[in-house]
Amino acid sequence: DAGVTQSPTHLIKTRGQQVTLRCSPKSGHDTVSWYQQALGQGPQFIFQYYEEEERQRGNFPDRFSGHQFPNYSSELNVNALLLGDSALYLCASSHSSYNSATNEKLFFGSGTQLSVL
Amino acid sequence: AQKVTQAQTEISVVEKEDVTLDCVYETRDTTYYLFWYKQPPSGELVFLIRRNSFDEQNEISGRYSWNFQKSTSSFNFTITASQVVDSAVYFCALSVYNFNKFYFGSGTKLNVKP
Repeated sequence: DAGVTQSPTHLIKTRGQQVTLRCSPKSGHDTVSWYQQALGQGPQFIFQYYEEEERQRGNFPDRFSGHQFPNYSSELNVNALLLGDSALYLCASSHSSYNSATNEKLFFGSGTQLSVL
Repeated sequence: AQKVTQAQTEISVVEKEDVTLDCVYETRDTTYYLFWYKQPPSGELVFLIRRNSFDEQNEISGRYSWNFQKSTSSFNFTITASQVVDSAVYFCALSVYNFNKFYFGSGTKLNVKP
């Protein structure tokens, strides 16, 4: 049973460029969340997708956008990259509806290390 | 607003020592969930435990134990007889009822030396 997979593992971009990161959730999971982890910090919530819609969003600018596909996989897009966007981007999946009675544990992928030069 | 504080940035111990990682949280919600995750150098966050706000029983799993005290808003994690393989960054996290959005602390890096 494959866990959460993310691609690519590493990426180098220059300021102003755009990037797309991809995530396949754990089998049976329908909810995908994205987190940004700066060096030496804890992960910060970017947004969450359920039923192909963005359900929750953290304190990130509109340059950060996403998409969820019918097979539950997801993409994170970042436009007009800034040096400060350099971080590990983690995808997490869970099996929960938006109105789940319990908060499920998240299963994380190994992340995409994005470097902006 | 939700907040998790892990005041210990880095801890170094010698193998077989016991070590406690501290976690203090803030929330006004009465129903919430607390988690601990381990992040080895590979980057993937590995789930260790989940606790809901109505269950203050301490839990033990092998060499790991957790102490949840609502009175002090703390959810501390103890590793007994530490091993080199325990070396990693450990994160405490909080999510509130009905919103599966996690608030993470800044993490504690544990170095276990042989």
